[in-house]
Amino acid sequence: GNSVTQMEGPVTLSEEAFLTINCTYTATGYPSLFWYVQYPGEGLQLLLKATKADDKGSNKGFEATYRKETTSFHLEKGSVQVSDSAVYFCALSDRSGGYNKLIFGAGTRLAVHP
Amino acid sequence: GAGVSQTPSNKVTEKGKYVELRCDPISGHTALYWYRQSLGQGPEFLIYFQGTGAADDSGLPNDRFFAVRPEGSVSTLKIQRTERGDSAVYLCASSLGQGEKLFFGSGTQLSVL
Repeated sequence: GNSVTQMEGPVTLSEEAFLTINCTYTATGYPSLFWYVQYPGEGLQLLLKATKADDKGSNKGFEATYRKETTSFHLEKGSVQVSDSAVYFCALSDRSGGYNKLIFGAGTRLAVHP
Repeated sequence: GAGVSQTPSNKVTEKGKYVELRCDPISGHTALYWYRQSLGQGPEFLIYFQGTGAADDSGLPNDRFFAVRPEGSVSTLKIQRTERGDSAVYLCASSLGQGEKLFFGSGTQLSVL
């Protein structure tokens, strides 16, 4: 079945450091891929998405490229801020029914220190 | 309201009791989803409504779990004979239509003692 694997946390970085959070997936067909973020005390929010191979999703300085050949969708940011501290979830949707039945990874906690 | 509202935010119950969790989606959103997030894990799909009907309930773990959306807006997730393993955060999400962006509520933390 479909699944998502992402790197374990916590990831601890200093402000302005480079961030990579790895995500790989297993899926039949051509899923859509997503990164969601959960800030402390808030609900899950869509950060970015990509719907086909070689698409790059980007938002708030974060980027991720849909790599079909390596079945990956790694999240990157060139310079993190303290306000980026949150839990990040990689997810896929196979859209076979036309709706977003999301399969999530376990989440990666990011802590950014001044 | 501006976002998806879930009540209560916290629910503590005893093993064997019945609980109801409520979700108020964003006004006008026809699609509604329930997910369950156990500690240290990502959310897991439970059920999807399009309008009043449950289009996909394949994620409900067993027949103790049931959800309704009688008027195509508010939804209630019902859990009978609760077990300690049901303890988790129950998340609701809505979207404008099938396949559109999901907006999540802050969840209901259910604790079964």
